[in-house]
Amino acid sequence: DVKVTQSSRYLVKRTGEKVFLECVQDMDHENMFWYRQDPGLGLRLIYFSYDVKMKEKGDIPEGYSVSREKKERFSLILESASTNQTSMYLCASSSLGGDSTDTQYFGPGTRLTVL
Amino acid sequence: DAKTTQPPSMDCAEGRAANLPCNHSTISGNEYVYWYRQIHSQGPQYIIHGLKNNETNEMASLIITEDRKSSTLILPHATLRDTAVYYCIVRVPRTNAGKSTFGDGTTLTVKP
Repeated sequence: DVKVTQSSRYLVKRTGEKVFLECVQDMDHENMFWYRQDPGLGLRLIYFSYDVKMKEKGDIPEGYSVSREKKERFSLILESASTNQTSMYLCASSSLGGDSTDTQYFGPGTRLTVL
Repeated sequence: DAKTTQPPSMDCAEGRAANLPCNHSTISGNEYVYWYRQIHSQGPQYIIHGLKNNETNEMASLIITEDRKSSTLILPHATLRDTAVYYCIVRVPRTNAGKSTFGDGTTLTVKP
């Protein structure tokens, strides 16, 4: 089974702190994604990556950056956390393989609170 | 990706079949229908997908109308653990770096 893990389930940070959210997948997937989920707004794509060192902005990239130095790991960085970044953060991965279903596999999520 | 429309909420009695509809009237010929669900405080989970034929797996069945403008996800014997938000997504596989747009979905509540 595909496993996507996220470094923390719950995280509390202070305004202005630099925050790192880590995501690791164990199925050699090419694509990786970071979403945030807020009540009434659904899942919104922040950034995605289709290969090592490659990244593209999603729908709401402002205030975030990402890093993909290894295929299995995709990091989301909040350079200076703000209270409006309090949210549930979800990581996902998917395969580009020819016989893949192209489905996304999600991690359990990190609930970040910025005080 | 084609736009989808789902009812915001549905109830179902435990042990009964849950039928969740999705409208995708602008679907194009090479777009597949995918279903995911998200149980409270967890990440979304893939359920099933299909192009035009009906599909069944251990979790659910997917019925796609002949004109492909709508589909229905069927949970044959709903349990309380099936209470979740169900998302219907339409997209072409292996394009656009695998991006999917998750709408608001349908909140299914299974009642005892």
